[in-house]
Amino acid sequence: GQSLEQPSEVTAVEGAIVQINCTYQTSGFYGLSWYQQHDGGAPTFLSYNALDGLEETGRFSSFLSRSDSYGYLLLQELQMKDSASYFCAVRSDNNAGNMLTFGGGTRLMVKP
Amino acid sequence: DTEVTQTPKHLVMGMTNKKSLKCEQHMGHRAMYWYKQKAKKPPELMFVYSYEKLSINESVPSRFSPECPNSSLLNLHLHALQPEDSALYLCASSQDKTDFNEQFFGPGTRLTVL
Repeated sequence: GQSLEQPSEVTAVEGAIVQINCTYQTSGFYGLSWYQQHDGGAPTFLSYNALDGLEETGRFSSFLSRSDSYGYLLLQELQMKDSASYFCAVRSDNNAGNMLTFGGGTRLMVKP
Repeated sequence: DTEVTQTPKHLVMGMTNKKSLKCEQHMGHRAMYWYKQKAKKPPELMFVYSYEKLSINESVPSRFSPECPNSSLLNLHLHALQPEDSALYLCASSQDKTDFNEQFFGPGTRLTVL
């Protein structure tokens, strides 16, 4: 099976940098994704890492180390609108299709 | 159009009612998904449809019955639900079942079972 661990809550101030960590245990790893979900909203895709290293998309970056079964999401120049829940997710593939298993989510609160 | 739509937004039903949730996408995606999400929890996969065929059923009780009438539509038929089934039901789609890079989620239907 799959299991993912991420902190339940993180608080930071506007303009700061915050890192949300995710460690995973999975049989058959295909990649690590990150999703953002505002209260009352739908999850939206942020990034995907299949290979080791850093992927940068604007203010958000995502990192993966497959040897450590570890990844993180880095948010820079935090804005109030970044207050949301952030989920890491791994893909498993049982030949019937790909399935996303989500971590418990990290609730990010950005303060003025 | 990069949008997944879901209706209704809210649904309240009794345990003896029969209702349906609807999901639609016009991105040409061939894989569609139903997830259940409880408050402050992550989405949990229920069903995967690939090319209009059910490919994954994550041991979901039979009171939930999915249907994929065509490549753009996905329904979830509900019957004899329990109060613990109250949750946000999310529909998602992706290009196909092997495309992992991104799933597009709809806004969800918030279901309350009385």
